[in-house]
Amino acid sequence: EAQVTQNPRYLITVTGKKLTVTCSQNMNHEYMSWYRQDPGLGLRQIYYSMNVEVTDKGDVPEGYKVSRKEKRNFPLILESPSPNQTSLYFCASSLKQGAGANVLTFGAGSRLTVL
Amino acid sequence: AQSVTQLDSHVSVSEGTPVLLRCNYSSSYSPSLFWYVQHPNKGLQLLLKYTSAATLVKGINGFEAEFKKSETSFHLTKPSAHMSDAAEYFCVVSLGGYGQNFVFGPGTRLSVLP
Repeated sequence: EAQVTQNPRYLITVTGKKLTVTCSQNMNHEYMSWYRQDPGLGLRQIYYSMNVEVTDKGDVPEGYKVSRKEKRNFPLILESPSPNQTSLYFCASSLKQGAGANVLTFGAGSRLTVL
Repeated sequence: AQSVTQLDSHVSVSEGTPVLLRCNYSSSYSPSLFWYVQHPNKGLQLLLKYTSAATLVKGINGFEAEFKKSETSFHLTKPSAHMSDAAEYFCVVSLGGYGQNFVFGPGTRLSVLP
């Protein structure tokens, strides 16, 4: 089944304790992206990657890191989490831009609470 | 720069009545437009997309949307609401190209009353 898999789905942690949210897709998609969802703000892009070893900042990159060493994986790293990073996180992927817009396929989401 | 406005944060309809969720966008170029739906505790699922072909786009579950360039709008409609339509709906604009930046509206929560 074609899908984007995120782990963990739920996580409670404390300020300053490094954590990684993994994201993996099995569709051979070039493009991958991380979003955070907060009430009333919709989804905001954190980082995106056009292909292996190619990453770039989105609208809200502060406090986050990413890497793209393999095509299928795009982990999100919080080096020193703070309470304002408490949010619902989504990973998404799509084919590289071609004719017309490509559709994003989303993971199920990871709910992170930072105490 | 692109932006998306969803004019209603919450819409409530009775089962069997029409649904209208409003979306206006701002874009310097011809955008691609999408509607996504998010059911409680679920990820986002594509309802429909517009990519400069027919201006009336049909999606899944009886939803459709009409692209009106003169009004910079892409409103989502459904003739008859079902209880299962209760969810959060997001209008999304994308210019594509490098970065494929997708800009999301703030969302509209649809409630369907029995």
